[in-house]
Amino acid sequence: AQKVTQAQTEISVVEKEDVTLDCVYETRDTTYYLFWYKQPPSGELVFLIRRNSFDEQNEISGRYSWNFQKSTSSFNFTITASQVVDSAVYFCALSESSGANSKLTFGKGITLSVRP
Amino acid sequence: GAGVSQSPSNKVTEKGKDVELRCDPISGHTALYWYRQRLGQGLEFLIYFQGNSAPDKSGLPSDRFSAERTGESVSTLTIQRTQQEDSAVYLCASSFGERETQYFGPGTRLLVL
Repeated sequence: AQKVTQAQTEISVVEKEDVTLDCVYETRDTTYYLFWYKQPPSGELVFLIRRNSFDEQNEISGRYSWNFQKSTSSFNFTITASQVVDSAVYFCALSESSGANSKLTFGKGITLSVRP
Repeated sequence: GAGVSQSPSNKVTEKGKDVELRCDPISGHTALYWYRQRLGQGLEFLIYFQGNSAPDKSGLPSDRFSAERTGESVSTLTIQRTQQEDSAVYLCASSFGERETQYFGPGTRLLVL
């Protein structure tokens, strides 16, 4: 069965600090997809990134970067020079290719607070 | 283009009443998903639609929960005889195809008194 663990529950940083959000996953599939979503206080989930299991290249998008390591089953997310607007709950999610559909299995989320 | 929309945004009901939650997916998205988010928790999968059929209902927590989709568009999630433990945010997502990225609506916040 697939599982996503986000061991950190709450993180608080001061603006301009870098912060890394950890995600560890479990799956028996060789083909799968990993996601990060942001849930700001408004409640709507905002898609950030999707990664397939065959692509281990790190990705950078502005202040955001992702480190995918199959050897440790991790897909960590780093925010560089954090800003107050980054305050939100961040979810890591997994979908397997062998399942009947691509339903997402989510971690419990990490609440990030960025203080001015 | 419009994103996923859901209505109502908030719903307060009394224990034992039935409620209907609506989801309008992004136009052209054939796959539609319902998830539930309890306070302080991650999202739990409820049901998946491909077109108008629901090949995976495995996440529905009890037979009080049902859902349908018509016209390969709007979906309705119905909870009968609501219980207090049904209080949660119900989120709908749609995707262009079965293995594509899911885009979420703003959710319906349900409170059962």
